[in-house]
Amino acid sequence: GENVEQHPSTLSVQEGDSAVIKCTYSDSASNYFPWYKQELGKRPQLIIDIRSNVGEKKDQRIAVTLNKTAKHFSLHITETQPEDSAVYFCAASPSGYSTLTFGKGTMLLVSP
Amino acid sequence: GAVVSQHPSWVICKSGTSVKIECRSLDFQATTMFWYRQFPKQSLMLMATSNEGSKATYEQGVEKDKFLINHASLTLSTLTVTSAHPEDSSFYICSASQRAGYNEQFFGPGTRLTVL
Repeated sequence: GENVEQHPSTLSVQEGDSAVIKCTYSDSASNYFPWYKQELGKRPQLIIDIRSNVGEKKDQRIAVTLNKTAKHFSLHITETQPEDSAVYFCAASPSGYSTLTFGKGTMLLVSP
Repeated sequence: GAVVSQHPSWVICKSGTSVKIECRSLDFQATTMFWYRQFPKQSLMLMATSNEGSKATYEQGVEKDKFLINHASLTLSTLTVTSAHPEDSSFYICSASQRAGYNEQFFGPGTRLTVL
């Protein structure tokens, strides 16, 4: 089955800095890669996703890049703000299936 | 659109009792629903996948007789934790997919289960 590795497990940045979280996946059949933000005790919220037919996608301060050959994808957050502090999860899903396999998460702390 | 609700949001029960958690898709028909368990400071672990009108598919290591899943309609799935024990205390989250093979999942707000 699919295996998703996520790094780093914790990331501390100063407000205004950029943050990068990286994930690798094992199943070449995966074609959907969402990123979720989860605040303590709350549901995961989809912040951005990418499908395997594109290499990069941006939404304001958030961007995701995908390298299918290397089987890795990354989340980039620019101009970080304290409210960006949360746990971020990457996930991967194979073509034709709804099942998501999650990475272990990255706790992002943005200090004012 | 694509709102998923869960009830209850939290529950405390005694060891040995059973607890039922409901997951509803409010504004769409969910062909597939998923149940996850999340322990503190850990990731979401898929417990089972259920399709309306058929038996749930459980992940390896998840006891199907302990975690009963019923997907009776296109808008409702229930998870019953039978004979709950303290080690079952966790955050249970459901999600729903709008159509078979469609990757995007919409998550419920979760249920915090505490077994005393």
